[in-house]
Amino acid sequence: NAGVMQNPRHLVRRRGQEARLRCSPMKGHSHVYWYRQLPEEGLKFMVYLQKENIIDESGMPKERFSAEFPKEGPSILRIQQVVRGDSAAYFCASSPSVRNSGNTIYFGEGSWLTVV
Amino acid sequence: GQQLNQSPQSMFIQEGEDVSMNCTSSSIFNTWLWYKQDPGEGPVLLIALYKAGELTSNGRLTAQFGITRKDSFLNISASIPSDVGIYFCAGQLRNNDMRFGAGTRLTVKP
Repeated sequence: NAGVMQNPRHLVRRRGQEARLRCSPMKGHSHVYWYRQLPEEGLKFMVYLQKENIIDESGMPKERFSAEFPKEGPSILRIQQVVRGDSAAYFCASSPSVRNSGNTIYFGEGSWLTVV
Repeated sequence: GQQLNQSPQSMFIQEGEDVSMNCTSSSIFNTWLWYKQDPGEGPVLLIALYKAGELTSNGRLTAQFGITRKDSFLNISASIPSDVGIYFCAGQLRNNDMRFGAGTRLTVKP
């Protein structure tokens, strides 16, 4: 987990508010992944980004959810008009940019979103 | 997206016993990874496998990358109480995209 920084670690939002989760990848990593984990469940892929590009967002709900990874600054996962079902742990992971060779991805410690 | 089938979902074993879990898929993966997650924490990488047929050990853990590149297993020998947690397999696709299994929840009784 060392190196991938997520904040906030815990976030409480009322229904209808916006949640912004930030992820700073490990130094030198240009690929970022976001996963959602519901209580007692596994990791569900949401989105895969490289700098300034969304590579695969097939796991992200079409409405209310968006992600970005700007040239400068952290990756942001944004959830608009949150509902109780959005309560989950959101994990960010990063990997280096080497293609077609053995890469490993490293996880942050997660952001726990609670919608009340 | 490509799905990984991880089994078993959960295991209850006695301290000292060996453990085996596996992941299968209909897709071919370039890399297989195994992670462990403790409550309230992010997944921590245990073993990474990069070549079909590769067998790699990390202490009491051994993992193999299946010859077909569609499966992998993880063995834990002589389990101890701190092995408790959720173990996830992950497969990396050609474009660096990653997919995870649903996890195996391990309970070790002293």
